[in-house]
Amino acid sequence: DAGVTQSPTHLIKTRGQQVTLRCSPISGHKSVSWYQQVLGQGPQFIFQYYEKEERGRGNFPDRFSARQFPNYSSELNVNALLLGDSALYLCASSEGLTGGNTIYFGEGSWLTVV
Amino acid sequence: GENVEQHPSTLSVQEGDSAVIKCTYSDSASNYFPWYKQELGKRPQLIIDIRSNVGEKKDQRIAVTLNKTAKHFSLHITETQPEDSAVYFCAASRGGFGFQKLVFGTGTRLLVSP
Repeated sequence: DAGVTQSPTHLIKTRGQQVTLRCSPISGHKSVSWYQQVLGQGPQFIFQYYEKEERGRGNFPDRFSARQFPNYSSELNVNALLLGDSALYLCASSEGLTGGNTIYFGEGSWLTVV
Repeated sequence: GENVEQHPSTLSVQEGDSAVIKCTYSDSASNYFPWYKQELGKRPQLIIDIRSNVGEKKDQRIAVTLNKTAKHFSLHITETQPEDSAVYFCAASRGGFGFQKLVFGTGTRLLVSP
């Protein structure tokens, strides 16, 4: 029984470049959320997608975008990378949208911007 | 806006002792309260969660209590073991707005000494 899978696990980018991170949710889960975790802090909510539509967005600039595909997998894109974008990017999977859904995290993608 | 405060930031105990981590949330509409354990370089792993219609939940050595009136919830770990050493995050989320966003506390670094 596969959990939430993310790729790549580690990557290094240069300031100004663009990055795409990928996520596959737990089988049967229709909701994918993205969180950013800066070293030493708790995760911060970026987006939630459900049934291919953006349902919620956190306090992140427009450089951050995402989409969800018919198979419920998702991509997070970050343009014009800044040094401050260096973080662990976590994909989270849940069955639905309501506030009481259990949320499971993937192993994350470690992004370093140099 | 939503805010979750978590204390203490660090906690050192001897193996076999109990550990208690406390969180306070600001949004009275919050209805779901998970706890995550994060080992160094790993993903946040759900260890226990509680919903607002329940005051206490227990799973082996781990228990969580919720006081909705005080907007306060706590994690209790009994008979601690060295493998319990990690960073623990509390979180809160609310429903009713068409999406689910976890708001995390700042984390507690638990060190269990043999």
